[in-house]
Amino acid sequence: AQRVTQPEKLLSVFKGAPVELKCNYSYSGSPELFWYVQYSRQRLQLLLRHISRESIKGFTADLNKGETSFHLKKPFAQEEDSAMYYCALSGGYSSASKIIFGSGTRLSIRP
Amino acid sequence: EADIYQTPRYLVIGTGKKITLECSQTMGHDKMYWYQQDPGMELHLIHYSYGVNSTEKGDLSSESTVSRIRTEHFPLTLESARPSHTSQYLCASSSRVPASGTQYFGPGTRLLVL
Repeated sequence: AQRVTQPEKLLSVFKGAPVELKCNYSYSGSPELFWYVQYSRQRLQLLLRHISRESIKGFTADLNKGETSFHLKKPFAQEEDSAMYYCALSGGYSSASKIIFGSGTRLSIRP
Repeated sequence: EADIYQTPRYLVIGTGKKITLECSQTMGHDKMYWYQQDPGMELHLIHYSYGVNSTEKGDLSSESTVSRIRTEHFPLTLESARPSHTSQYLCASSSRVPASGTQYFGPGTRLLVL
């Protein structure tokens, strides 16, 4: 069964500390993985996708197929990173693919 | 400007009323979706569409219905609202070509059924 698991509902770290938001997935094929972010009073929006291999707002995420993980990392947290983060999975490149979202992790950055 | 719009943004309505939540996009996307989300909680896919005259039920059972008569328009209807329908409803769209999982979300409609 296709599933995305985010084990932490809430993650609280101090400003300047490293951040790691965990995401594990279950999928039988070659999935496409994403991180979406929802800032307070803003729309849910794409943060990054694994195939782009890019760093957005200092965040990176590496797909580890052996561990079926796609953890989101940032070396130095900033207060504006406080938001709700969702890991998501799509069934690859089929035009019929849906996206499956994890339950989300609320990241709170303490000053 | 290419965007995805939802109206109304907030709706307070009595039990038993019929409501339609509007969603329109000017992104030129074929695929559209409706999610139900309690604030800060998990997203649940309730309906999706891959194009005109195509609609499918999502993973979460919902008493709502949808239609897709025009590519840019994907309204959601509740024939008889109940307090259990109180939630936030998010509309999203994505491109079919190139095949992509990236979804673009509207601002959401917060529904309160009294």
